[in-house]
Amino acid sequence: AQSVSQHNHHVILSEAASLELGCNYSYGGTVNLFWYVQYPGQHLQLLLKYFSGDPLVKGIKGFEAEFIKSKFSFNLRKPSVQWSDTAEYFCAVQGTGFQKLVFGTGTRLLVSP
Amino acid sequence: DGGITQSPKYLFRKEGQNVTLSCEQNLNHDAMYWYRQDPGQGLRLIYYSQIVNDFQKGDIAEGYSVSREKKESFPLTVTSAQKNPTAFYLCASSIKGGELFFGEGSRLTVL
Repeated sequence: AQSVSQHNHHVILSEAASLELGCNYSYGGTVNLFWYVQYPGQHLQLLLKYFSGDPLVKGIKGFEAEFIKSKFSFNLRKPSVQWSDTAEYFCAVQGTGFQKLVFGTGTRLLVSP
Repeated sequence: DGGITQSPKYLFRKEGQNVTLSCEQNLNHDAMYWYRQDPGQGLRLIYYSQIVNDFQKGDIAEGYSVSREKKESFPLTVTSAQKNPTAFYLCASSIKGGELFFGEGSRLTVL
């Protein structure tokens, strides 16, 4: 069965700082990988996804993530955060061939102006 | 507009009562899902359905039931057997193997 580990539960940054949120997964086969974001009071929305091809994927709002197969990792990065990036971020993994989507426990990011 | 509609947004119930949460989608997606979100625990899968008239248990199905009689509808019943029902419930849908699209959620409080 798949599992996802997000090591940082709470992250506090100042505006313009760089961001990296860790995500490691456990699954024996080929996977699809996702990062979702939940802004305060809003529903979950997709930030970016990896299905195949270039392991460096770019998403909305300047976010990117790199799939490193040998490390079973899919870390999320942004070079310069803004106050509006304050949100909860969830990493998720899905075994290919329509396996269920499994989420990590989430990372709460607070960006101070 | 295409999307996923969950209702009600807020619901209060007494202990021992069954509660049904509605989820409707007009995205023509085959798959639908119910997740439960609790602080510090992320999203945990309750039930999912890949096609009409078929559904599978997720990781925390005990105390819940679902039905999938129509492609666009996937209601979740929180039964009195669920020991800790107070939570935020999220419904989602997807094409087979694709990204999930989420509704705005239903917050259930059991008094």
